[in-house]
Amino acid sequence: QKEVEQDPGPLSVPEGAIVSLNCTYSNSAFQYFMWYRQYSRKGPELLMYTYSSGNKEDGRFTAQVDKSSKYISLFIRDSQPSDSATYLCAMSSRIQGAQKLVFGQGTRLTINP
Amino acid sequence: NAGVTQTPKFQVLKTGQSMTLQCAQDMNHEYMSWYRQDPGMGLRLIHYSVGAGITDQGEVPNGYNVSRSTTEDFPLRLLSAAPSQTSVYFCASSTSGGPYEQYFGPGTRLTVT
Repeated sequence: QKEVEQDPGPLSVPEGAIVSLNCTYSNSAFQYFMWYRQYSRKGPELLMYTYSSGNKEDGRFTAQVDKSSKYISLFIRDSQPSDSATYLCAMSSRIQGAQKLVFGQGTRLTINP
Repeated sequence: NAGVTQTPKFQVLKTGQSMTLQCAQDMNHEYMSWYRQDPGMGLRLIHYSVGAGITDQGEVPNGYNVSRSTTEDFPLRLLSAAPSQTSVYFCASSTSGGPYEQYFGPGTRLTVT
């Protein structure tokens, strides 16, 4: 079983829809939860991160973490064609003095005008 | 700040050839990593470094060598290229404290024929 599971999609929705992207994980040692956005033929870039359970909002984006269920989500409100990209979840912690970072497989999202 | 830079952007190799992918960062990050990204496989860690002179293997190290003589540079060497190494390669650097978010370069698209 992978430490981080993410539905690869692809996911296609109309412009203006609310998008929900999700990841589950198995390692309870993870402390930080991140979402990266990767446009076609570009490197991933950090979108936002959270440290604890709960919600964090940044404009049209909301990251949600439920540590009890080992489940994280990214919501995109009023989705725009410019949001079309691959979204990767990532989780990190410090284990035995070493940094550990694990990525999900990525979900390809298309917003249709 | 240029961030993380990678050269070349594209490369075609014949089986058995060797080459070095260059990576540099100007953020004074201690941690640097190399990933490969293949369709359906997500990002897989090849090698990483926690500081100058210190490197370690990631998930898929076979066929690759790294060294870290300075904080800024972290080259990846392909010893004898194989078609299975056809991929997109990303270099990343990260902070030494949490949340350990990765800053990625633009990537190198490598084809081995």
